[in-house]
Amino acid sequence: GENVEQHPSTLSVQEGDSAVIKCTYSDSASNYFPWYKQELGKRPQLIIDIRSNVGEKKDQRIAVTLNKTAKHFSLHITETQPEDSAVYFCAASGGAGNMLTFGGGTRLMVKP
Amino acid sequence: GAGVSQSPRYKVAKRGQDVALRCDPISGHVSLFWYQQALGQGPEFLTYFQNEAQLDKSGLPSDRFFAERPEGSVSTLKIQRTQQEDSAVYLCASSLNSGANVLTFGAGSRLTVL
Repeated sequence: GENVEQHPSTLSVQEGDSAVIKCTYSDSASNYFPWYKQELGKRPQLIIDIRSNVGEKKDQRIAVTLNKTAKHFSLHITETQPEDSAVYFCAASGGAGNMLTFGGGTRLMVKP
Repeated sequence: GAGVSQSPRYKVAKRGQDVALRCDPISGHVSLFWYQQALGQGPEFLTYFQNEAQLDKSGLPSDRFFAERPEGSVSTLKIQRTQQEDSAVYLCASSLNSGANVLTFGAGSRLTVL
């Protein structure tokens, strides 16, 4: 089945700096790659997603890039703000099975 | 409904007790998923329904876990003879179409087994 690796597990940045979180996946048939933000005690919320027919997608301060050849994708957050502090999960689906397979998460801390 | 609703939000069970967790997906959503999230980890897939059909239950950790969605809407995850290692947040998610596309998650049911 699919295996998604995510790093770093924790990331601390100064407010206003950029943050980058990277994920790799194993199933070359995967074609959908969402990113979820989860605040403490809350539900995971979709913040951006990308499909395999594009290499990059941007939404205001958030962007995602996908390299299908290398089987990795990344989340980029620019001009970070304290409210960006949360755990971020990458995921992949579309290969064997119908489920989303999640990475282990990255705890992002934005220091004011 | 406006979102995915789960109940109870918190459940404390003594080891050996049976528990039932309920999920109300967004109305009209075809796909429903159950995930288990241990503290500090990513959600782990348990099972998937397309309407009332359980198409994938490969993630259920043992035969003590059972899920159903008899009318293709509300789903129940049942855990029999709970063990301490079952302590986790159980997340339900639904999506409009078949397969894992844009998933909307519920707030989860936090199960603590003493």
